[in-house]
Amino acid sequence: EVQLVESGGGLVQPGGSLRLSCAASGFTFGTYEMNWVRQAPGKGLEWVSSISSSGFTIYYADSVKGRFTISRDNARNSLYLQMNSLRAEDTAVYYCARQKPFDYWGQGTLVTVSS
Amino acid sequence: IVLTQSPGTLSLSPGDKATLSCRANQSVRSNYLAWYQRKPGQPPRLLIYDASTRATGIPGRFSGSGSGTDFTLTISRLEPEDFAVYFCHQYGSSSHVTFGQGTKLEIK
Repeated sequence: EVQLVESGGGLVQPGGSLRLSCAASGFTFGTYEMNWVRQAPGKGLEWVSSISSSGFTIYYADSVKGRFTISRDNARNSLYLQMNSLRAEDTAVYYCARQKPFDYWGQGTLVTVSS
Repeated sequence: IVLTQSPGTLSLSPGDKATLSCRANQSVRSNYLAWYQRKPGQPPRLLIYDASTRATGIPGRFSGSGSGTDFTLTISRLEPEDFAVYFCHQYGSSSHVTFGQGTKLEIK
């Protein structure tokens, strides 16, 4: 059974940093593109970033470019999102999702940026 | 690409046929358009991809159609568990992935 479990969310002050993790199981992690998608309170879904199976090809949404870094460790079946210079508008539930279209999603981890 | 879904809310009864629309402001490359179902407290569930291909395990009452800029999700006979929020998603560009704002399907 495919499982994606996010962790690392929490409350952080504006300008702060946070690192999200996504632990994958039930499939051959190293052969799939992975993504981060977020949903702010009362808003729709927003794609954040994608990373190819090898980690060599990476894309970011314009809203996070230069502040967020996606990475993966195929040996550990894990996906990461390093978030720096956080802003109030980054407050959201962050999901990791497998490939495009997003066929499997985690339950999400809440990131709150507030002073 | 901006995706606009209509209607915003659809009120129907079990057994009815539901027709949901997703319109793009420019052509979706290779009709890379997906539909998801979302229930409270759950992550989205992939229903349809490539505009018309049902995802694994999705009942046959769900079907997708359309191409270019106009896409439709049809639920032929609504079951009680089908009342949820549905949204479309285009993935024609690897670097500009977008979602529609969603259609709430509620029980009349």
